Amino acid sequence: QSMLTQPPSVSGAAGQRVTISCTGSTSNIGAGYNVHWYQQLPGTAPRLLISANTNRPSGVPDRFSGSKSGTSASLAITGLQAEDEGDYYCQSFGSGLTVVFGGGTKLTVL
Amino acid sequence: QVQLVQSGAEVKKPGASVKVSCKASGYTFSRYSLHWVRQAPGQGLEWMGRINAGNGDTKYSQNIHDRVTITGDTAANTVHMELRSLKSADTAVYYCARVDILTGGFDVWGQGTLVNVSS
Repeated sequence: QSMLTQPPSVSGAAGQRVTISCTGSTSNIGAGYNVHWYQQLPGTAPRLLISANTNRPSGVPDRFSGSKSGTSASLAITGLQAEDEGDYYCQSFGSGLTVVFGGGTKLTVL
Repeated sequence: QVQLVQSGAEVKKPGASVKVSCKASGYTFSRYSLHWVRQAPGQGLEWMGRINAGNGDTKYSQNIHDRVTITGDTAANTVHMELRSLKSADTAVYYCARVDILTGGFDVWGQGTLVNVSS
């Protein structure tokens, strides 16, 4: 069972904006650990999308943004494109610096 | 360029062991930690454990700590993950991933290794 909670699925029309939430606890996100987001397209390895809550690695479009507040974090995607369809995962750390992932959210572009 | 290249797919019988390797290139191997993450078919990501490639220090998930061992070979810039007493539930794609020193995110991933446990 994941220690970070994400909605199983979200959808939006091409060009629209969607957000994906990631809810943790005082043992992980709320303890001050960074939240990272990954995009996994079908049949591929995950790709780092947002690091340390808000930072976009080189090559990630500015349509993707992240935020963190308290025990939760969010990923926002604006100007949805068909190529954005895939699974999105949040990740943080827990006690003893163990790694925790969210259960993943499937994004469908209508 | 920075990359992690993993060993090939494996088919194992229940009760057997499997060892998956991950060879790093393009960066100073000893400066980073490498983690193992697995993904069962149609499921999410599950963290298994990590190794500090510089000093060999390891930490494992409580879920499988009694069946997994991660080792490093600094001369070969390679880490290995051994999983013992395999069950059908261990059928998954296994990934190695590097942690970015500054941010803590997994910035480089291996291509994944499918381990199929079947009688």
